[in-house]
Amino acid sequence: DGGITQSPKYLFRKEGQNVTLSCEQNLNHDAMYWYRQDPGQGLRLIYYSQIVNDFQKGDIAEGYSVSREKKESFPLTVTSAQKNPTAFYLCASSIRGSGGAAKNIQYFGAGTRLSVL
Amino acid sequence: AQTVTQSQPEMSVQEAETVTLSCTYDTSESDYYLFWYKQPPSRQMILVIRQEAYKQQNATENRFSVNFQKAAKSFSLKISDSQLGDAAMYFCAYSTPMYSGGGADGLTFGKGTHLIIQP
Repeated sequence: DGGITQSPKYLFRKEGQNVTLSCEQNLNHDAMYWYRQDPGQGLRLIYYSQIVNDFQKGDIAEGYSVSREKKESFPLTVTSAQKNPTAFYLCASSIRGSGGAAKNIQYFGAGTRLSVL
Repeated sequence: AQTVTQSQPEMSVQEAETVTLSCTYDTSESDYYLFWYKQPPSRQMILVIRQEAYKQQNATENRFSVNFQKAAKSFSLKISDSQLGDAAMYFCAYSTPMYSGGGADGLTFGKGTHLIIQP
Protein backbone atom coordinates (compact mmCIF):
# COMPACT_ATOMS: atom_id res chain seq x y z
CA ASP A 1 0.00 0.00 0.00
CA GLY A 2 1.29 3.45 -0.90
CA GLY A 3 1.38 6.02 1.82
CA ILE A 4 3.28 8.11 4.31
CA THR A 5 4.72 6.50 7.41
CA GLN A 6 5.65 8.52 10.46
CA SER A 7 7.52 7.04 13.39
CA PRO A 8 7.45 6.79 16.27
CA LYS A 9 3.82 7.44 17.14
CA TYR A 10 4.81 8.79 20.57
CA LEU A 11 8.14 10.34 21.53
CA PHE A 12 9.50 11.79 24.74
CA ARG A 13 12.32 14.31 24.94
CA LYS A 14 14.52 15.02 27.91
CA GLU A 15 15.84 18.48 28.70
CA GLY A 16 18.68 19.47 26.35
CA GLN A 17 18.20 16.47 24.10
CA ASN A 18 17.81 16.42 20.32
CA VAL A 19 15.21 14.02 18.94
CA THR A 20 14.48 12.97 15.37
CA LEU A 21 11.07 12.24 13.90
CA SER A 22 10.96 9.96 10.89
CA CYS A 23 8.85 10.46 7.75
CA GLU A 24 8.98 8.02 4.84
CA GLN A 25 6.78 7.97 1.73
CA ASN A 26 6.43 5.46 -1.10
CA LEU A 27 4.14 7.60 -3.25
CA ASN A 28 7.01 8.81 -5.46
CA HIS A 29 6.16 12.37 -4.47
CA ASP A 30 8.77 15.06 -4.96
CA ALA A 31 7.64 17.54 -2.31
CA MET A 32 7.53 16.87 1.42
CA TYR A 33 6.43 19.03 4.35
CA TRP A 34 6.53 19.16 8.16
CA TYR A 35 3.76 20.78 10.18
CA ARG A 36 3.28 21.38 13.89
CA GLN A 37 -0.16 21.29 15.52
CA ASP A 38 -0.83 22.74 18.98
CA PRO A 39 -4.16 22.39 20.86
CA GLY A 40 -6.78 24.74 19.49
CA GLN A 41 -4.55 25.70 16.60
CA GLY A 42 -4.35 24.84 12.97
CA LEU A 43 -1.26 23.34 11.43
CA ARG A 44 1.79 25.54 11.04
CA LEU A 45 4.53 24.89 8.49
CA ILE A 46 7.99 24.11 9.87
CA TYR A 47 10.05 23.12 6.81
CA TYR A 48 9.40 21.91 3.30
CA SER A 49 11.41 20.32 0.52
CA GLN A 50 10.58 20.31 -3.17
CA ILE A 51 13.53 18.20 -4.37
CA VAL A 52 16.30 16.06 -2.92
CA ASN A 53 19.11 17.98 -1.20
CA ASP A 54 17.05 21.17 -1.05
CA PHE A 55 14.68 22.51 1.62
CA GLN A 56 13.19 25.80 2.77
CA LYS A 57 12.16 27.22 6.12
CA GLY A 58 8.49 27.57 6.86
CA ASP A 59 6.81 29.90 9.32
CA ILE A 60 8.20 28.36 12.53
CA ALA A 61 11.58 26.83 11.62
CA GLU A 62 13.52 28.05 14.68
CA GLY A 63 14.69 25.16 16.85
CA TYR A 64 14.18 22.57 14.11
CA SER A 65 16.38 21.08 11.38
CA VAL A 66 15.74 18.76 8.43
CA SER A 67 17.57 16.82 5.74
CA ARG A 68 16.48 15.45 2.39
CA GLU A 69 19.11 12.97 1.23
CA LYS A 70 16.59 10.62 -0.39
CA LYS A 71 13.36 11.30 -2.22
CA GLU A 72 11.47 8.96 0.09
CA SER A 73 12.67 10.37 3.40
CA PHE A 74 12.39 13.75 5.17
CA PRO A 75 13.40 13.45 8.84
CA LEU A 76 12.78 16.30 11.27
CA THR A 77 15.14 16.95 14.20
CA VAL A 78 13.78 18.86 17.17
CA THR A 79 16.85 20.46 18.72
CA SER A 80 17.48 21.58 22.28
CA ALA A 81 17.01 25.15 21.03
CA GLN A 82 13.28 24.46 20.65
CA LYS A 83 12.08 25.44 24.13
CA ASN A 84 8.46 24.39 23.70
CA PRO A 85 8.54 21.20 21.63
CA THR A 86 5.41 19.54 23.04
CA ALA A 87 3.03 19.23 20.06
CA PHE A 88 1.63 16.91 17.42
CA TYR A 89 3.84 16.76 14.31
CA LEU A 90 2.50 15.91 10.88
CA CYS A 91 4.42 15.06 7.73
CA ALA A 92 2.89 15.46 4.28
CA SER A 93 3.88 14.97 0.65
CA SER A 94 2.63 16.04 -2.75
CA ILE A 95 3.42 15.80 -6.44
CA ARG A 96 5.54 18.67 -7.74
CA GLY A 97 4.84 20.27 -11.08
CA SER A 98 1.86 21.31 -13.14
CA GLY A 99 -0.78 19.29 -14.86
CA GLY A 100 -3.82 17.43 -13.72
CA ALA A 101 -1.84 14.97 -11.67
CA ALA A 102 -0.37 17.68 -9.48
CA LYS A 103 -3.57 19.20 -8.10
CA ASN A 104 -1.66 20.73 -5.16
CA ILE A 105 -3.05 18.01 -2.90
CA GLN A 106 -1.01 17.15 0.18
CA TYR A 107 -1.29 13.68 1.70
CA PHE A 108 -0.58 13.31 5.39
CA GLY A 109 0.96 10.72 7.67
CA ALA A 110 -0.63 9.66 10.96
CA GLY A 111 1.54 11.99 13.03
CA THR A 112 3.95 11.86 15.96
CA ARG A 113 3.08 13.19 19.40
CA LEU A 114 6.13 14.68 21.10
CA SER A 115 6.17 15.36 24.83
CA VAL A 116 8.81 16.69 27.19
CA LEU A 117 9.83 14.63 30.23
CA ALA B 1 1.28 36.78 3.83
CA GLN B 2 -1.86 34.78 3.37
CA THR B 3 -4.21 34.21 6.29
CA VAL B 4 -7.13 31.84 6.76
CA THR B 5 -9.88 32.53 9.31
CA GLN B 6 -12.46 30.10 10.63
CA SER B 7 -14.81 32.05 12.89
CA GLN B 8 -16.73 29.08 14.30
CA PRO B 9 -14.69 27.17 16.93
CA GLU B 10 -17.52 24.65 17.31
CA MET B 11 -20.69 23.70 15.45
CA SER B 12 -23.38 21.18 16.33
CA VAL B 13 -25.92 19.57 13.99
CA GLN B 14 -28.54 16.86 14.24
CA GLU B 15 -27.87 13.67 12.34
CA ALA B 16 -29.30 13.81 8.78
CA GLU B 17 -29.44 17.63 8.85
CA THR B 18 -27.33 20.07 6.84
CA VAL B 19 -24.56 22.21 8.31
CA THR B 20 -22.35 24.92 6.83
CA LEU B 21 -18.84 25.70 8.07
CA SER B 22 -17.41 29.14 7.31
CA CYS B 23 -13.96 30.13 6.09
CA THR B 24 -12.54 33.42 4.90
CA TYR B 25 -9.04 34.09 3.62
CA ASP B 26 -6.85 36.96 2.66
CA THR B 27 -4.51 36.94 -0.32
CA SER B 28 -3.23 39.23 -3.03
CA GLU B 29 -2.84 36.33 -5.47
CA SER B 30 -5.35 35.68 -8.26
CA ASP B 31 -4.47 32.00 -8.72
CA TYR B 32 -4.58 29.67 -5.73
CA TYR B 33 -6.20 26.57 -4.29
CA LEU B 34 -8.49 26.12 -1.33
CA PHE B 35 -9.07 22.94 0.63
CA TRP B 36 -11.17 21.50 3.40
CA TYR B 37 -9.44 18.82 5.46
CA LYS B 38 -11.09 16.65 8.10
CA GLN B 39 -9.27 15.49 11.24
CA PRO B 40 -11.19 12.80 13.16
CA PRO B 41 -10.16 11.69 16.68
CA SER B 42 -7.47 9.48 15.11
CA ARG B 43 -5.83 12.81 14.09
CA GLN B 44 -5.24 11.60 10.53
CA MET B 45 -5.73 14.53 8.13
CA ILE B 46 -8.13 13.58 5.34
CA LEU B 47 -8.84 15.70 2.28
CA VAL B 48 -12.56 16.44 1.96
CA ILE B 49 -12.73 18.76 -1.03
CA ARG B 50 -10.57 21.04 -3.17
CA GLN B 51 -11.34 24.21 -5.16
CA GLU B 52 -9.24 25.89 -7.83
CA ALA B 53 -9.59 29.68 -7.71
CA TYR B 54 -9.79 30.09 -11.48
CA LYS B 55 -12.80 27.78 -11.66
CA GLN B 56 -16.10 29.53 -10.99
CA GLN B 57 -18.00 26.29 -10.54
CA ASN B 58 -18.26 25.20 -6.93
CA ALA B 59 -16.64 21.84 -6.14
CA THR B 60 -18.77 18.95 -4.91
CA GLU B 61 -17.90 15.53 -3.50
CA ASN B 62 -20.94 13.43 -2.69
CA ARG B 63 -22.53 15.01 0.43
CA PHE B 64 -19.90 17.74 0.61
CA SER B 65 -20.04 20.94 -1.42
CA VAL B 66 -18.49 24.38 -1.21
CA ASN B 67 -19.71 27.92 -1.77
CA PHE B 68 -16.71 29.73 -3.24
CA GLN B 69 -17.07 33.50 -3.41
CA LYS B 70 -13.79 34.78 -4.86
CA ALA B 71 -14.55 38.49 -4.61
CA ALA B 72 -15.59 38.11 -0.99
CA LYS B 73 -12.68 35.71 -0.29
CA SER B 74 -15.09 33.26 1.25
CA PHE B 75 -15.00 29.46 1.06
CA SER B 76 -17.70 27.70 3.07
CA LEU B 77 -18.27 23.95 3.34
CA LYS B 78 -21.76 22.48 3.30
CA ILE B 79 -22.31 18.98 4.62
CA SER B 80 -25.66 17.47 3.66
CA ASP B 81 -27.34 14.55 5.39
CA SER B 82 -24.86 14.70 8.29
CA GLN B 83 -23.68 11.34 9.59
CA LEU B 84 -22.10 10.36 12.88
CA GLY B 85 -18.86 9.65 11.04
CA ASP B 86 -18.67 13.30 10.00
CA ALA B 87 -17.83 14.29 13.58
CA ALA B 88 -14.32 15.75 13.48
CA MET B 89 -12.23 18.91 13.34
CA TYR B 90 -12.52 20.59 9.97
CA PHE B 91 -9.72 22.78 8.67
CA CYS B 92 -9.84 25.22 5.82
CA ALA B 93 -6.51 25.62 4.00
CA TYR B 94 -4.97 27.73 1.25
CA SER B 95 -2.05 27.15 -1.08
CA THR B 96 -0.35 28.82 -3.98
CA PRO B 97 -0.29 26.78 -7.16
CA MET B 98 2.44 24.52 -8.39
CA TYR B 99 3.70 25.25 -11.86
CA SER B 100 5.89 23.21 -14.08
CA GLY B 101 9.38 23.30 -12.59
CA GLY B 102 8.19 24.97 -9.42
CA GLY B 103 6.51 23.94 -6.21
CA ALA B 104 4.03 25.07 -3.61
CA ASP B 105 5.32 26.48 -0.36
CA GLY B 106 3.03 24.56 1.93
CA LEU B 107 -0.51 25.00 3.13
CA THR B 108 -1.80 27.85 5.31
CA PHE B 109 -4.45 26.54 7.71
CA GLY B 110 -7.25 28.09 9.71
CA LYS B 111 -7.62 27.16 13.39
CA GLY B 112 -10.39 24.69 12.70
CA THR B 113 -14.05 24.09 13.51
CA HIS B 114 -15.05 21.24 15.79
CA LEU B 115 -18.15 19.60 14.31
CA ILE B 116 -20.42 17.67 16.66
CA ILE B 117 -23.13 15.40 15.28
CA GLN B 118 -26.11 14.91 17.59
CA PRO B 119 -27.79 11.48 17.13
